[in-house]
Amino acid sequence: ETGVTQTPRHLVMGMTNKKSLKCEQHLGHNAMYWYKQSAKKPLELMFVYNFKEQTENNSVPSRFSPECPNSSHLFLHLHTLQPEDSALYLCASSQVTGTHGYTFGSGTRLTVV
Amino acid sequence: DQQVKQNSPSLSVQEGRISILNCDYTNSMFDYFLWYKKYPAEGPTFLISISSIKDKNEDGRFTVFLNKSAKHLSLHIVPSQPGDSAVYFCAASAGGSQGNLIFGKGTKLSVKP
Repeated sequence: ETGVTQTPRHLVMGMTNKKSLKCEQHLGHNAMYWYKQSAKKPLELMFVYNFKEQTENNSVPSRFSPECPNSSHLFLHLHTLQPEDSALYLCASSQVTGTHGYTFGSGTRLTVV
Repeated sequence: DQQVKQNSPSLSVQEGRISILNCDYTNSMFDYFLWYKKYPAEGPTFLISISSIKDKNEDGRFTVFLNKSAKHLSLHIVPSQPGDSAVYFCAASAGGSQGNLIFGKGTKLSVKP
């Protein structure tokens, strides 16, 4: 148990669908992140939330829409995705003042067909 | 342009020997570095970190070395065990332990019995 739970673990969606990825942490952390991992590429930072406020949007297309209703929950709303958006989407959390980096969830494997 | 580079996509080592994983970075503002380990179907887990004010940090079988002048860090695993077989990601931050992490592509380590 990593303390960061992501659902669903796998998702297949059509390009016209709307779906949401969910992330939940019970570590008392105050920062949450979305990362994208594509094949043969580094983990790419997508969004950062500190104390529920979005502090970074790393030039992510608007078809990805994050939501952070509280410091324990983070969503990634998906709509009209492209096949190249197929990837592993990782959620992470951290204590802003911590020294041990991030705690990651197991990820959602997304396939866009 | 990649700011964190792991130029070896894979490494194979015999059990009991030393594993050396390398990482280079280009951003001189990076001041905090971490290594993560990732098993298939799981999220990355924190392994060890080092601040730029140090040149070495050791934790059990794992040691990270930092050469700031060369903008290079390495992770040494001694002795290597089959359970160490995983993908290892190097990450760096420009805001100390509070900064957003930039990751490399990872190196897949295989430790053979």
